[in-house]
Amino acid sequence: GDSVTQMEGPVTLSEEAFLTINCTYTATGYPSLFWYVQYPGEGLQLLLKATKADDKGSNKGFEATYRKETTSFHLEKGSVQVSDSAVYFCALKRETSYDKVIFGPGTSLSVIP
Amino acid sequence: DAGVIQSPRHEVTEMGQEVTLRCKPISGHNSLFWYRQTMMRGLELLIYFNNNVPIDDSGMPEDRFSAKMPNASFSTLKIQPSEPRDSAVYFCASSLAGQGYQPQHFGDGTRLSIL
Repeated sequence: GDSVTQMEGPVTLSEEAFLTINCTYTATGYPSLFWYVQYPGEGLQLLLKATKADDKGSNKGFEATYRKETTSFHLEKGSVQVSDSAVYFCALKRETSYDKVIFGPGTSLSVIP
Repeated sequence: DAGVIQSPRHEVTEMGQEVTLRCKPISGHNSLFWYRQTMMRGLELLIYFNNNVPIDDSGMPEDRFSAKMPNASFSTLKIQPSEPRDSAVYFCASSLAGQGYQPQHFGDGTRLSIL
């Protein structure tokens, strides 16, 4: 079945460091891919998305490129801030499903000043 | 704009009691999802509805759990009887299906503690 794998956390970085969170997926067909972010005490919210191969999603300085050949969608940011501390979820949605999203296990990020 | 509204935000009760969690989706959304989040199992999809009809309830853990969506603006998740292992944060999310990819909008969750 469909699945999403993420690098294990927690990840701790200093402010202004470069961030990479790895994500790989298994799915039939051509899924859409997403990154969601969960801040403490809140629900998940969409950070960025990519709907086809080689698409790059970007938002708030975060980027991720849909790589079909490696079935990956790694999240990157050039310079993290303390306010980026959160849990990040990689996710996919198959084109044939209603609107069901398969979430990865989440990666916790802590950014220290 | 009002987002997804869940109530209560926190619930503490004794095992064996009935628990009812409530969700008001975003107006106009036609899909609604119930998730459970724990440290051990992460985020689990319990059930989802499309146009008020349950589409997939394969994630509902057992018969003690039930969910209803009597109309487009309200859904409940009920646990009866509750057990300590049901302690978790329960999220409701809604989206507008059928128009390309529309993101799921999550509520702030109900933190449930069963003593």
